[in-house]
Amino acid sequence: EIVLTQSPDFQSVTPKERITITCRASQGIATSLHWFQQKPGQSPKLLIKDASQSFSGVPSRFSGSGSGTDFTLTIDSLEAEDAATYYCHQSHALPRTFGQGTKVEIK
Amino acid sequence: QITLKESGPTLVKPTQTLTLTCTFSGFSISTVGVAVGWIRQPPGKALEWLALIYWDNDKRYRPSLDSRLTITKDTSKNQVVLTMANMDPVDTATYYCALDSDSIFAYWGQGTLVTVSS
Repeated sequence: EIVLTQSPDFQSVTPKERITITCRASQGIATSLHWFQQKPGQSPKLLIKDASQSFSGVPSRFSGSGSGTDFTLTIDSLEAEDAATYYCHQSHALPRTFGQGTKVEIK
Repeated sequence: QITLKESGPTLVKPTQTLTLTCTFSGFSISTVGVAVGWIRQPPGKALEWLALIYWDNDKRYRPSLDSRLTITKDTSKNQVVLTMANMDPVDTATYYCALDSDSIFAYWGQGTLVTVSS
């Protein structure tokens, strides 16, 4: 099973700040890595697919990069509505796995 | 517009079998490359993939739960059904179904909370 480890687990940031969340895979997964945003009481929403491609309708302040084992989600100029938990997910191999999540709090 | 919605019991007793239905619209599970998956999330915890069923009826399960899970589809009704046998309190979670297109969970249902308790 491919283990995805996110860091940090929690981040408290001020509006307009830039944040970076990393996801490390226990083995190479090419670019089969996707990022989701989940707000309290809601289902996950796809932000970034295939490591760096923005999903339809996602604001341009969200971007992704990486390949192999190391990946990054960047949120430029954070807004209050970005308070959420962010998950990475790999579809390179079964079983499909998710990271443990990174909770982003807005100060 | 793509939508998915989960339905089923909110409370099940230990040892019972859980049956959840995902009813979807806006896509066909007969389309090549399309699959529907189930993912769950215990309260306050991370997401956990459970099962996938593909357009060609190929089925894949989480290895640790393989003996307890069954996934089926009814193309005419636009539904996918997941059954999980021998439920335990640790299976208490919100269960989601999602459209898997080109191996990406692009659209998710709202989820349904299932509590396992006697």
